[in-house]
Amino acid sequence: SQQGEEDPQALSIQEGENATMNCSYKTSINNLQWYRQNSGRGLVHLILIRSNEREKHSGRLRVTLDTSKKSSSLLITASRAADTASYFCATENSGGSNYKLTFGKGTLLTVNP
Amino acid sequence: DVKVTQSSRYLVKRTGEKVFLECVQDMDHENMFWYRQDPGLGLRLIYFSYDVKMKEKGDIPEGYSVSREKKERFSLILESASTNQTSMYLCASSLAELPSGYTFGSGTRLTVV
Repeated sequence: SQQGEEDPQALSIQEGENATMNCSYKTSINNLQWYRQNSGRGLVHLILIRSNEREKHSGRLRVTLDTSKKSSSLLITASRAADTASYFCATENSGGSNYKLTFGKGTLLTVNP
Repeated sequence: DVKVTQSSRYLVKRTGEKVFLECVQDMDHENMFWYRQDPGLGLRLIYFSYDVKMKEKGDIPEGYSVSREKKERFSLILESASTNQTSMYLCASSLAELPSGYTFGSGTRLTVV
């Protein structure tokens, strides 16, 4: 069952611009995580935000969480061609099994040089 | 460098064959997971394990089984491979004691002909 839904499905920007991706989910969560996947490879964990947190930063990444709207956003600032990848949100649902994550379908980000 | 290793990057098997996908992690993680990833469907959880000899069904366990005889190794078994099991298979692991990101393997792209 899908929990997170990313928006947009695809995003194309120029190098140096900011990229914003959104994720909506349906049930209460313990935390929400963002992952990156380069073409044909495994996923790489980027950042985790707990349900009692509203914003978190890591380098050029900024994640926000609005539990009242059941949504999150991932902002990548000053994008680079190397940021080209698919980005997934994943939720750990409240009351669920230990740290089992449910993933969305992803946003494909293309950063043009 | 800590990591999750999947035994094969690409695999081609015939319909009806019994297929073993192996995953080994060197981080002493308690939790291990098997997902499959298909275009338009995102990542779907097949099975997961919290401990040695322990397993739980995910969202799409039909046609699959798993084995975890040692903490570091989690095997996915396709009892009788079918063409609809052609997919990218991703193994992941995580800590049990606190919420943390998953560490993924590079994936096995399985083609059943």
